[in-house]
Amino acid sequence: KNQVEQSPQSLIILEGKNCTLQCNYTVSPFSNLRWYKQDTGRGPVSLTIMTFSENTKSNGRYTATLDADTKQSSLHITASQLSDSASYICVVSDRGSTLGRLYFGRGTQLTVWP
Amino acid sequence: EADIYQTPRYLVIGTGKKITLECSQTMGHDKMYWYQQDPGMELHLIHYSYGVNSTEKGDLSSESTVSRIRTEHFPLTLESARPSHTSQYLCASSAGEGRETQYFGPGTRLLVL
Repeated sequence: KNQVEQSPQSLIILEGKNCTLQCNYTVSPFSNLRWYKQDTGRGPVSLTIMTFSENTKSNGRYTATLDADTKQSSLHITASQLSDSASYICVVSDRGSTLGRLYFGRGTQLTVWP
Repeated sequence: EADIYQTPRYLVIGTGKKITLECSQTMGHDKMYWYQQDPGMELHLIHYSYGVNSTEKGDLSSESTVSRIRTEHFPLTLESARPSHTSQYLCASSAGEGRETQYFGPGTRLLVL
């Protein structure tokens, strides 16, 4: 069964600190992996996308890594800001269908305190 | 910020009422999607469309229906709302092949009393 598991479920850090969020998946055949940020009451916004051949991708203070062999990804946030408080969702796409089926994790709820 | 809009943002309605959730995008995307998301849970695909006059059911069974008469418009309708329909509904669109990044609207939070 294709699944996406994220950890931790929730995380609280102080402003200025770094943190790392984890994503493990069993989706096969794998196409790409995206990290989305979802602010409370808003729709998800794409942060990074990585294909099978990419093992790291940065977007400002966000750096995502991908290990396609172990089917693991991480999202590292550097020098956190209050505005980073949100749910971070790992989304994996398969290449077994025309639609490009997306599998969503439940997200990690990050809270940044001043 | 993606050019995809949803109205209303919040809706409180009584059981048995008919409701339509609106979704519009100005990016000219062919593919559009409706997801249902409960608090702390993953998004579930309930409907999608490849283009005008194309609609398909998603993975999660839903009593809602959709239509795609125009490229930019993908409304979702519930003929008779029930408390079990209480959830957040997210609309998304993507260009080209289905594996392109999906752009999400702000969502509609529905509460059925």
